[in-house]
Amino acid sequence: DGGITQSPKYLFRKEGQNVTLSCEQNLNHDAMYWYRQDPGQGLRLIYYSQIVNDFQKGDIAEGYSVSREKKESFPLTVTSAQKNPTAFYLCASSIGTGIGKNIQYFGAGTRLSVL
Amino acid sequence: GQNIDQPTEMTATEGAIVQINCTYQTSGFNGLFWYQQHAGEAPTFLSYNVLDGLEEKGRFSSFLSRSKGYSYLLLKELQMKDSASYLCAVRGGSYIPTFGRGTSLIVHP
Repeated sequence: DGGITQSPKYLFRKEGQNVTLSCEQNLNHDAMYWYRQDPGQGLRLIYYSQIVNDFQKGDIAEGYSVSREKKESFPLTVTSAQKNPTAFYLCASSIGTGIGKNIQYFGAGTRLSVL
Repeated sequence: GQNIDQPTEMTATEGAIVQINCTYQTSGFNGLFWYQQHAGEAPTFLSYNVLDGLEEKGRFSSFLSRSKGYSYLLLKELQMKDSASYLCAVRGGSYIPTFGRGTSLIVHP
């Protein structure tokens, strides 16, 4: 089955630690995105990538880093510089980002908490 | 930038009809999406509007007025399983969707 997979489902971070959230898709989509969701909030864009080896900062990129070395994979690292990392993180992909529907398909999310 | 406004919470009765509004301000407009999100789960696509008018898909319909910066999602014959958050997302000049805060819909018997 085609889809988008995030792992782990739950993650705990210690103070001063970097953690990496995995996102893999087998939909052959060019575009991938990372969003953060806090209680009662909408989805806020952290980073997005329109093509392999290219990515752009979203609205809240500070304290996060990404890479896009393969079309299928778009891992997100939450660095120690992110002082308030506790949130629900959602990865999404779409065929592209230009004209056309480009519906976003979402993974099941990773819930990150700070110990 | 973009500004998207939706009501925070709505309640409705099983079997009834509910309309969830979304107003937006954006520089450039390239489509509006509605997604459904059950608690702790991934958002799933419901509808897409890029031209003015009504798009109907089963029990769900979505309307767009670009001149008014306004959309609504209409849910008919409400079922308990429709209790969820409904997210309005606008694609502006950058073609990257910006999401509103979402409307939490509670359906009661």
